[in-house]
Amino acid sequence: NAGVTQTPKFRILKIGQSMTLQCAQDMNHNYMYWYRQDPGMGLKLIYYSVGAGITDKGEVPNGYNVSRSTTEDFPLRLELAAPSQTSVYFCASSGLAGVTDTQYFGPGTRLTVL
Amino acid sequence: RKEVEQDPGPFNVPEGATVAFNCTYSNSASQSFFWYRQDCRKEPKLLMSVYSSGNEDGRFTAQLNRASQYISLLIRDSKLSDSATYLCVVGSLNTGNQFYFGTGTSLTVIP
Repeated sequence: NAGVTQTPKFRILKIGQSMTLQCAQDMNHNYMYWYRQDPGMGLKLIYYSVGAGITDKGEVPNGYNVSRSTTEDFPLRLELAAPSQTSVYFCASSGLAGVTDTQYFGPGTRLTVL
Repeated sequence: RKEVEQDPGPFNVPEGATVAFNCTYSNSASQSFFWYRQDCRKEPKLLMSVYSSGNEDGRFTAQLNRASQYISLLIRDSKLSDSATYLCVVGSLNTGNQFYFGTGTSLTVIP
């Protein structure tokens, strides 16, 4: 199993550009999460999904959108990138038990907005 | 008030030392508790889950005190390879299926 994969690993965007961060998992997990981690800070939840077709906002959803059309994929869309969105983005998944289950993280996407 | 608070450290300890980290959480209805380890510029990985009865995995011991709403991690006989950031994570159903992360405690084990 590949676990949780994320692409791209690195990206530089100009202010106002848009992009989609890809996330996929092959563990048949229902729950998937997007976090951002700023330097010296904890992970903050952007969006999460409890299954295909269901998404919900986390703590910091502004400026982002998600979709969950399949169990495997959970892309994160940045519209009109801003310097404040410079961060490391981690995707994670967990099994049927949700918050009582282990989260597995992807390797992260390092995004810089200039 | 933050959902999860940790002392950021840094903790610099010699090899072989015992070191303890604490973490407090604000939501008394939280249901799950974990310690994750994060190496520099890498993704977090589960170190251990934390149960009310306490649990041990080799040199690592985790404790949960629900009454005081704190979680601890004890590392005995520290190794150079233990150098990392340790993240306290709390899962809550009553605020949605969400995990809340502390900012992490940095540990450096010195030869």
